[in-house]
Amino acid sequence: DVKVTQSSRYLVKRTGEKVFLECVQDMDHENMFWYRQDPGLGLRLIYFSYDVKMKEKGDIPEGYSVSREKKERFSLILESASTNQTSMYLCASSADRRSYGYTFGSGTRLTVV
Amino acid sequence: ELKVEQNPLFLSMQEGKNYTIYCNYSTTSDRLYWYRQDPGKSLESLFVLLSNGAVKQEGRLMASLDTKARLSTLHITAAVHDLSATYFCAVDILGAGKSTFGDGTTLTVKP
Repeated sequence: DVKVTQSSRYLVKRTGEKVFLECVQDMDHENMFWYRQDPGLGLRLIYFSYDVKMKEKGDIPEGYSVSREKKERFSLILESASTNQTSMYLCASSADRRSYGYTFGSGTRLTVV
Repeated sequence: ELKVEQNPLFLSMQEGKNYTIYCNYSTTSDRLYWYRQDPGKSLESLFVLLSNGAVKQEGRLMASLDTKARLSTLHITAAVHDLSATYFCAVDILGAGKSTFGDGTTLTVKP
């Protein structure tokens, strides 16, 4: 089975801190994605990547950056965490541009205080 | 821009009843996916539909795809409490390797 592993299930950070959310997949998938999910707002795409060192902005990239130095790892960075970034963050991967759907990680619930 | 609309957004059912969730999308695609999300958890894949007329079934759930009508349905047969969850459909932008998600349908099955 494809596994997508997010490093933390729950995270509490202070306003202004730099926050790293890590995501690792073990099936050689080319595509990786970061979403945030908030009640009533559905899934919103933050950033995605089709290949190592490549990144594309999603619908809500402001306040975030990403890094993909290795194919299996896609990191989401909150440069200076703010309370409005309190959310559930979901990482996903898919095989390639032909897709066949996503495999999601278990999610990181981030609280910024 | 691809838009994906699900309805209803909230559904309360009695156990043993049947119902259908609808997923409409706005532009040509032949790849559609259904996911399930339990409260506080992540999404897990339910069905992958890759062609017009595709039908997949697992247990009390059956999904179908009509690419000409740009419509997928998720049919629930004889609902049980364990089916209570939020169900998302997602559609691929052709060749982009990226899905657009509906807003999700929150299903509550009551005894």
